Amino acid sequence: DVKVTQSSRYLVKRTGEKVFLECVQDMDHENMFWYRQDPGLGLRLIYFSYDVKMKEKGDIPEGYSVSREKKERFSLILESASTNQTSMYLCASTERSQYNEQFFGPGTRLTVL
Amino acid sequence: DAKTTQPPSMDCAEGRAANLPCNHSTISGNEYVYWYRQIHSQGPQYIIHGLKNNETNEMASLIITEDRKSSTLILPHATLRDTAVYYCIVRVVFQGAQKLVFGQGTRLTINP
Repeated sequence: DVKVTQSSRYLVKRTGEKVFLECVQDMDHENMFWYRQDPGLGLRLIYFSYDVKMKEKGDIPEGYSVSREKKERFSLILESASTNQTSMYLCASTERSQYNEQFFGPGTRLTVL
Repeated sequence: DAKTTQPPSMDCAEGRAANLPCNHSTISGNEYVYWYRQIHSQGPQYIIHGLKNNETNEMASLIITEDRKSSTLILPHATLRDTAVYYCIVRVVFQGAQKLVFGQGTRLTINP
């Protein structure tokens, strides 16, 4: 069974802390994505990667960075967490072909105090 | 990017067919319509997609109008586990990777 896993389901951090969110997929997918989901705003794309060491900004990259050192792993980094980054973070992956569906992880609910 | 419009909420009785509408009047010729759903506290789940022909899989059917300006997702025999937010999405290609633009979706409640 194909899977996208995220390192934590729930995370609580303090303002100013550096936060790492990890995502791993076992489907050998080329593309990986980080979204955040907030009430009333739906899903918004933060960053995506279409290959190892490649990354592209999404719609809301400010305050975030990413790392893709291995094909199966895509990390989202909050260099200095702020309260407005409290959100549900969702990772997804898909094959390079444009006609395939995205597979999502279970999400990480991050609270920044 | 083509925008989608969905009703914010719908109710359906268990065992009946749930028909979820979506308007996408600005869709362009090479854009696909995708449907996802999100059950509470879980990540979104792909359901079905189509270009211009009707599609069916083990989860649902997708009916796209001839002018492609609207579509309907049909869950033929809804169960309580189908209670979720359903998203109608028009797929945009960006830099070779898929970028899904999620709107507000329709909150579907299946009632016993």
